[in-house]
Amino acid sequence: AQSVTQLDSHVSVSEGTPVLLRCNYSSSYSPSLFWYVQHPNKGLQLLLKYTSAATLVKGINGFEAEFKKSETSFHLTKPSAHMSDAAEYFCALSGSARQLTFGSGTQLTVLP
Amino acid sequence: EAGVAQSPRYKIIEKRQSVAFWCNPISGHATLYWYQQILGQGPKLLIQFQNNGVVDDSQLPKDRFSAERLKGVDSTLKIQPAKLEDSAVYLCASSLAPPETQYFGPGTRLLVL
Repeated sequence: AQSVTQLDSHVSVSEGTPVLLRCNYSSSYSPSLFWYVQHPNKGLQLLLKYTSAATLVKGINGFEAEFKKSETSFHLTKPSAHMSDAAEYFCALSGSARQLTFGSGTQLTVLP
Repeated sequence: EAGVAQSPRYKIIEKRQSVAFWCNPISGHATLYWYQQILGQGPKLLIQFQNNGVVDDSQLPKDRFSAERLKGVDSTLKIQPAKLEDSAVYLCASSLAPPETQYFGPGTRLLVL
């Protein structure tokens, strides 16, 4: 069985400060890992994905994530938060069945 | 390139009524997915189609939910009869083929009263 755990349901940061959204995974198969963002009343938009190439993955809007197999983690970071980053973020895993298993989401609030 | 289209965007029904959702995937995408996203949770896969065949429907409550993908393009998801616990956002996604990236539509928000 595979699973994804997002360690924080809510994260608040001030505009211009770093963002860290944490994701741990469990999979008996070499996984592909994804981060999606969901703005209110919108569908999920892919931020970045890891598919067994470089462990540091760069995505859109200045986000990046690092795959750490030893820690079974795939945390999402951004050096400087912008007001437009406020949204819900989902970490997801694709394992042997090639299907996405999602975490429960992290709501990011950006304070002015 | 046009994205995944879904309609309606919002639907309010009473329990025991029926409802249907429609999805038009990105042109050329062979794989289509329906997800259920309950408030405060991540999306959960209900059914996966490859062209017009079902690949996985193990999490679809088949006593009340049904889905079809005629001609391997558009898809409809139906609930009959609806229960209160079916209140959720129903997301449609498509991809060229697994494990390619899935692209999501805006979703249909269902409220069952």
